[in-house]
Amino acid sequence: SQELEQSPQSLIVQEGKNLTINCTSSKTLYGLYWYKQKYGEGLIFLMMLQKGGEEKSHEKITAKLDEKKQQSSLHITASQPSHAGIYLCGADIGNEKLTFGTGTRLTIIP
Amino acid sequence: NAGVTQTPKFQVLKTGQSMTLQCAQDMNHEYMSWYRQDPGMGLRLIHYSVGAGITDQGEVPNGYNVSRSTTEDFPLRLLSAAPSQTSVYFCASSGTGSGNTIYFGEGSWLTVV
Repeated sequence: SQELEQSPQSLIVQEGKNLTINCTSSKTLYGLYWYKQKYGEGLIFLMMLQKGGEEKSHEKITAKLDEKKQQSSLHITASQPSHAGIYLCGADIGNEKLTFGTGTRLTIIP
Repeated sequence: NAGVTQTPKFQVLKTGQSMTLQCAQDMNHEYMSWYRQDPGMGLRLIHYSVGAGITDQGEVPNGYNVSRSTTEDFPLRLLSAAPSQTSVYFCASSGTGSGNTIYFGEGSWLTVV
């Protein structure tokens, strides 16, 4: 079973709508990273969260780490075609390794 | 600003051939790692290293070797390529300790026929 579960696995959203992607762990998250990957390309770092309750924003993307540090959400406001891609959460769960979720494939339709 | 450099970007191998994926970083990072990305599986850790001379296995180490003779380089060797190793490979590096940004290479697309 995955140590880090992402949901949904895929998402189709009309341009202009808001959306949320979740990343859940059964273990404490010591550091939570969000990356975006455009189809056929490398990973782009979006944000890192460490403290319970922390929230960061960049342009129209906001990420939060819950107080218990076991779940993070990524929220996109007023989605645009440039937001399309695969979103990956990665986490330090205290074992020296960075564990990744399976990714969420986001498609934006006109 | 090189960051993490991976080569080659694309490679086709025949079953049974060996090859090395190169990874180099110029940020003096102690931590380096290799992942493979397959559809529906996310990124899975193959091997990682917390410093020169130290390597350890990740989730899916079979069929791969690594070495870390310098801080900068962390090559991944496929000993005898199999079709199951067809994947996209990513190298990553970061400083040790929590709170460090992890930097990824651009990926290497490997096909084994």
